[in-house]
Amino acid sequence: KAGVTQTPRYLIKTRGQQVTLSCSPISGHRSVSWYQQTPGQGLQFLFEYFSETQRNKGNFPGRFSGRQFSNSRSEMNVSTLELGDSALYLCASSLGLGAGQVDYGYTFGSGTRLTVV
Amino acid sequence: GQNIDQPTEMTATEGAIVQINCTYQTSGFNGLFWYQQHAGEAPTFLSYNVLDGLEEKGRFSSFLSRSKGYSYLLLKELQMKDSASYLCAVRSHETGTASKLTFGTGTRLQVTL
Repeated sequence: KAGVTQTPRYLIKTRGQQVTLSCSPISGHRSVSWYQQTPGQGLQFLFEYFSETQRNKGNFPGRFSGRQFSNSRSEMNVSTLELGDSALYLCASSLGLGAGQVDYGYTFGSGTRLTVV
Repeated sequence: GQNIDQPTEMTATEGAIVQINCTYQTSGFNGLFWYQQHAGEAPTFLSYNVLDGLEEKGRFSSFLSRSKGYSYLLLKELQMKDSASYLCAVRSHETGTASKLTFGTGTRLQVTL
């Protein structure tokens, strides 16, 4: 089956601009989580969407937002870009089962590398 | 809050055995994952532990002690291709919220000849 697809792979933006990243999960997976990865901080959780609803959120400013469509594809938007937003943005797809249910399926996409200049 | 600690870097020799430790503090523990990430690539799933004990999968094994908040990843018969970052991640589920996967900063393993 097809893996997790993230587009674009690379992006260069200027400070103050806004950007939208896309993630298409594995077919049948209803949960999409977004992470920011930087050399010093590792993977930082941004938010998770399940069935078009945001059900978990990390500690990022409101400039970071997302949404999920009925086909489970998700987009992440960052407004008023800052230099510190330069990072690899990864999305992870999973079945999104509840606590106590077995769910091994956190599969990552290849990421979008965003550079803000 | 949650806190996950693992060493920043390790070096080991080809053919040897290496153990990467991970300690964590969390509420609502619901499983621990290990991922491998090669430079410039996506993290890939290695192992999952939710009960205490050792899980073995070929050259890779992972151990969990929930009472100690401790896990390790054991890599045997090291190969050059094992040079990568190894990420420890804890899934937690607090009442009223959905599960969340929190990552450590990763351990960069360098395998040398």
